[in-house]
Amino acid sequence: QAVLTQPASLSASPGASASLTCTLRSGINVGTYRIYWYQQKPGSPPQYLLRYKSDSDKQQGSGVPSRFSGSKDASANAGILLISGLQSEDEADYYCMIWHSSAVVFGGGTKLTVL
Amino acid sequence: QITLKESGPTLVKPTQTLTLTCTFSGFSLSTSGVGVGWIRQPPGKALEWLALIYWDDDKRYSPSLKSRLTITKDTSKNQVVLTMTNMDPVDTATYYCAHSRNDYGDYKYYFDYWGQGTLVTVSS
Repeated sequence: QAVLTQPASLSASPGASASLTCTLRSGINVGTYRIYWYQQKPGSPPQYLLRYKSDSDKQQGSGVPSRFSGSKDASANAGILLISGLQSEDEADYYCMIWHSSAVVFGGGTKLTVL
Repeated sequence: QITLKESGPTLVKPTQTLTLTCTFSGFSLSTSGVGVGWIRQPPGKALEWLALIYWDDDKRYSPSLKSRLTITKDTSKNQVVLTMTNMDPVDTATYYCAHSRNDYGDYKYYFDYWGQGTLVTVSS
């Protein structure tokens, strides 16, 4: 089982909100991890969006709009990237990342379609 | 302004050693709390972390690739070099280097500035 699991795809309408999940493997408690989120558009390198550990320990990337935010769902053992007021330019691949056992781990990515 | 640029061969043969150079500007790798990492992405696939070198010359490697990777830095040249031995067609990917930092004072850095990447194809 992968350390981080992300749904392969997600679709949402312009103006709506989208919740992208990053589920941690059973036995790894999401509450103890800083979760980093990246956005990647076709043909471009990833861009850092934000970090979330808790409401008192979070960081927005430089220039990242406030409609991108992070949270956690402890019951699902998952990190969440919430994008509100979806715009066509938000259509991209999104990756979560954590440090686990002294190594960086990326999720498999979610392709967000805005239509 | 932080910039990074990857350079190296675009085509390598199976079993050869790949050497990639990351040349950066806008920061110094001798500054406390700074690092440079390498991440790759096979065509159409997800990101995979490879290695990270810290300002104090500490290093971290992907456990699955550790035996094949070496990361070094030349602070005077503002360069980081990654070597990967015994290349295989499955190593075909875009290789990125990225500026790395941490706000906590531990080794768990994140990647906030990325180079454009360089596509490396492994084929005979």
